[in-house]
Amino acid sequence: ETGVTQSPTHLIKTRGQQVTLRCSSQSGHNTVSWYQQALGQGPQFIFQYYREEENGRGNFPPRFSGLQFPNYSSELNVNALELDDSALYLCASSAGQRSGANVLTFGAGSRLTVL
Amino acid sequence: DQQVKQNSPSLSVQEGRISILNCDYTNSMFDYFLWYKKYPAEGPTFLISISSIKDKNEDGRFTVFLNKSAKHLSLHIVPSQPGDSAVYFCAADTNAGKSTFGDGTTLTVKP
Repeated sequence: ETGVTQSPTHLIKTRGQQVTLRCSSQSGHNTVSWYQQALGQGPQFIFQYYREEENGRGNFPPRFSGLQFPNYSSELNVNALELDDSALYLCASSAGQRSGANVLTFGAGSRLTVL
Repeated sequence: DQQVKQNSPSLSVQEGRISILNCDYTNSMFDYFLWYKKYPAEGPTFLISISSIKDKNEDGRFTVFLNKSAKHLSLHIVPSQPGDSAVYFCAADTNAGKSTFGDGTTLTVKP
């Protein structure tokens, strides 16, 4: 059983650029969530995808967008990068069941630095 | 407005003793609470959860207690081991499937 894998692990961009982060879900999971973790803070919910549709969104502007593919892998796109977008971006997959706790399986994250 | 708060950024305990990590929340609609552990350069990993209709859940050395009237939960680790040294995140779920996290507590277990 493979876990959640994310790429790239580290990247550096400049203000105004665009970035795409990628995530492969754990086998058997059909739901993907993306989180932003700033230094010293907990993960903040960006959005969730289920069956290729956005299924909930946190307090992030529209320049944060995503996709989920038929194989349940996912992308996070951020346009017009700002300095405050510098953070660890975590992808998490889950089974999407609604009985029981929503247990997330996280990847190791993509560390984005915006200069 | 932070709905899940972990007020202690760090905790240090001696090996073999009890570690108690605390978490407070404000949203009465949360239906499950979870604890995750994070080692450096790794993603958070699930540790234990509790339903909002329970007051205790135990799994080996880990026990989570929930006090709904106080909107407070705690994670007890007994006995603590050096390998337990990590950042611990408290998280809360609504039935919308979105998890809200606290800012974490760094636990250091000294040999």
